[in-house]
Amino acid sequence: DAGITQSPRHKVTETGTPVTLRCHQTENHRYMYWYRQDPGHGLRLIHYSYGVKDTDKGEVSDGYSVSRSKTEDFLLTLESATSSQTSVYFCAISGGSGANVLTFGAGSRLTVL
Amino acid sequence: QKEVEQDPGPLSVPEGAIVSLNCTYSNSAFQYFMWYRQYSRKGPELLMYTYSSGNKEDGRFTAQVDKSSKYISLFIRDSQPSDSATYLCAMSSMNSGYSTLTFGKGTMLLVSP
Repeated sequence: DAGITQSPRHKVTETGTPVTLRCHQTENHRYMYWYRQDPGHGLRLIHYSYGVKDTDKGEVSDGYSVSRSKTEDFLLTLESATSSQTSVYFCAISGGSGANVLTFGAGSRLTVL
Repeated sequence: QKEVEQDPGPLSVPEGAIVSLNCTYSNSAFQYFMWYRQYSRKGPELLMYTYSSGNKEDGRFTAQVDKSSKYISLFIRDSQPSDSATYLCAMSSMNSGYSTLTFGKGTMLLVSP
């Protein structure tokens, strides 16, 4: 998947537990994004980063936090997972210029019981 | 009104048919228009993108943008079972460094042998 690795690929957890999803890129792209994809809602942006330690909220950021301490890594944390956060999470990267075409990872499937 | 509207389908066609997938949008600032293909349990992958109005062809795929009508289309000629996937349209404005893509919810296409 074009130098993007998401981990874990599958996770089952219980309500109230913290969860961290990791996105690692080898493309040295400046921009990184976390989306969630749900039936009937499509892809929705959670948070994005435009550089190391530079992040901003997307349309569905409540209940999520992110961190980017290195260009290649972008972490998504659910401080206290809820069943409504059961979803497939996609990381994406882009160079940011022109069309700002995104390249997506393979996804992380999270189930919160 | 959603910024980007896309019929969710499913759209079922026989092998060899010409397929037309469409999106409408409301934001006149959009300048870049993209089509992503997503196979089941995979991340979206870019098929093609166009800038402003006009057509773009890539093999069996043709993307068409009509900015005056705020309407974009993806045509697939000689459709194959391997084209069965969900197709997502996406759009962005010119200042793409900080802007993000706006996605349609996707149309599921099923091509039967």
